[in-house]
Amino acid sequence: IVMTQSPRSLSVTPGQAASISCRSSQSLLKHERYHYLNWYVQKPGQSPQVLIYLASSRASGVPDRFSGSGSGSDFTLNINRVEAEDVGVYYCMQALETPWTFGQGTKVEIK
Amino acid sequence: QITMKESGPTLVAPTQTLTLTCAFSGFSLSDSGMAVAWIRQAPGEALEYLAFIYWHDDIRYSPSLQGRLTLTKDTSRNQLFLTMTNMDPVDTGTYYCAHFTSFRNTGYFDSWGRGILVTVS
Repeated sequence: IVMTQSPRSLSVTPGQAASISCRSSQSLLKHERYHYLNWYVQKPGQSPQVLIYLASSRASGVPDRFSGSGSGSDFTLNINRVEAEDVGVYYCMQALETPWTFGQGTKVEIK
Repeated sequence: QITMKESGPTLVAPTQTLTLTCAFSGFSLSDSGMAVAWIRQAPGEALEYLAFIYWHDDIRYSPSLQGRLTLTKDTSRNQLFLTMTNMDPVDTGTYYCAHFTSFRNTGYFDSWGRGILVTVS
C-alpha cells in the first residue's frame, strides 16, 4: 500500500492551525468501521512517537490540539493552535496489512 | 513502562553481515498481543519498515528485503535480533526497534528505541 502525504513541508505561525493530508493507494477501512491509519511525529533529534491511531484516536498523552479525521483512503491530521514544540516531521502509516508503509513525511516549521 | 534499546556495530563494510540487538523491558514477547518491529531511516529520508514479529512467532519481512533479513529472539533475555546480509552503502541509516501495541489485527508503534546509526563503508 502506497502512502502519499501533502504538503511535503509547512511553515506555520504559532497559534495558527495546520493541516496535513495523507492518501493511501487502497481503502484502509476494516470491519466496516475502523480505519487502520496512524500518525507519528519525529521531532528534531528524536525517535518517532505516535500521535493518532485508528485514524482519529489520540494516543495517550497527546494534546487535544491534535486531531485525525478521514475515511476510505483520504485522511487528515489537524493541529489546532500550533506551538513551537510541534516542529518536526509528521508521518502517516497504514496499519492495515504488512508490510506496514509510511508516507514520505511532512516537515512542519514555525515561522 | 516499556523501554527499547538498540545495540550493535555502527560501522559495517560492504558485503558484510549486520547483526543488531534490541533489548526491551516492560513486556515479554511471549505475552499475548505483544509485537516488535525493526524500522530504519536513511539520512534525511522517510521511515521504512523492515521486519516484524508477533508473540506467537508470526514473522513478517519487508518484501523488498526478504532474503537478506532474519529475525530471531531470546525470550528469556527479552532480546530480539535482526540480521541483514550483504550490506551495501544504501543500507546506511538509523535502525530502530519499536514495540507494537496490537488489537483487532492492527495496532501502532507506541515505544521506540533511540535508534542506532549504522554506516556501511
